[in-house]
Amino acid sequence: NAGVTQTPKFQVLKTGQSMTLQCAQDMNHEYMSWYRQDPGMGLRLIHYSVGAGITDQGEVPNGYNVSRSTTEDFPLRLLSAAPSQTSVYFCASSPFQPNNNEQFFGPGTRLTVL
Amino acid sequence: ILNVEQSPQSLHVQEGDSTNFTCSFPSSNFYALHWYRWETAKSPEALFVMTLNGDEKKKGRISATLNTKEGYSYLYIKGSQPEDSATYLCAFSGGYNKLIFGAGTRLAVHP
Repeated sequence: NAGVTQTPKFQVLKTGQSMTLQCAQDMNHEYMSWYRQDPGMGLRLIHYSVGAGITDQGEVPNGYNVSRSTTEDFPLRLLSAAPSQTSVYFCASSPFQPNNNEQFFGPGTRLTVL
Repeated sequence: ILNVEQSPQSLHVQEGDSTNFTCSFPSSNFYALHWYRWETAKSPEALFVMTLNGDEKKKGRISATLNTKEGYSYLYIKGSQPEDSATYLCAFSGGYNKLIFGAGTRLAVHP
C-alpha cells in the first residue's frame, strides 16, 4: 500500500493563479481531510469529507474548494492564490470519522505564493 | 472557538533524561485526544488515541495519560534518545468530525 500520496511536493505560484493539490489514498478510508501548517501554529483544518460526494468546511475554508467524487481522491483547489496561502499543506485520511481513529498523513505539499 | 494548548513550546534535554509535556483541551464534549509525533521533513505519525478518562497508553519508552474532567493529557518520554527529537502534537476531538490540533512541543535531545 502506498498509503496517502500528495502531489506536487513543492509549488510556486503567482498571486491570482489557480491550482489543484492532489491527494489520494489506497486504504479505502471513508474520511479524508486537508490541513495547512504555518509556523508557530498547529495544523488547521481546511476542508474534510466523510465519504464520496460529501464534503464540509473546517476552520479555515476561505479561498479553497474541494470535491470528493471517489473514495480514493480528495483534491484541494486554490481558486485565486494569495500570499496568505503560502503554507505547507497536509492531506490525511482515516477509516471513519477522526473521533477515535488515528489519522494517516501524506508527505505534504510546500506552497509558496509570490 | 475551541483551544488546544501545548506546553512547553520547545524543550532541550540531554540523552538519557526523562521528560514530559502537557496538552490542555476543553473538558466539555470530549470524544478523543490524539498524540502525534512529527519528525522534520516527514509527516505526522500517530502515537496514541485516547478516549477514556484515566486512560494510560504506552509504546516503548513513550507513555501518555488522560484526564478528561480537568482537560489535560501528559506525554512522557523515559530515557530520551536523539532519535526522539521531533515535534509532538496533540489533537482534541469534540465530535463534529473535526480534530483541533495544538501548536506542538518541539523536543531536541542532545547526545
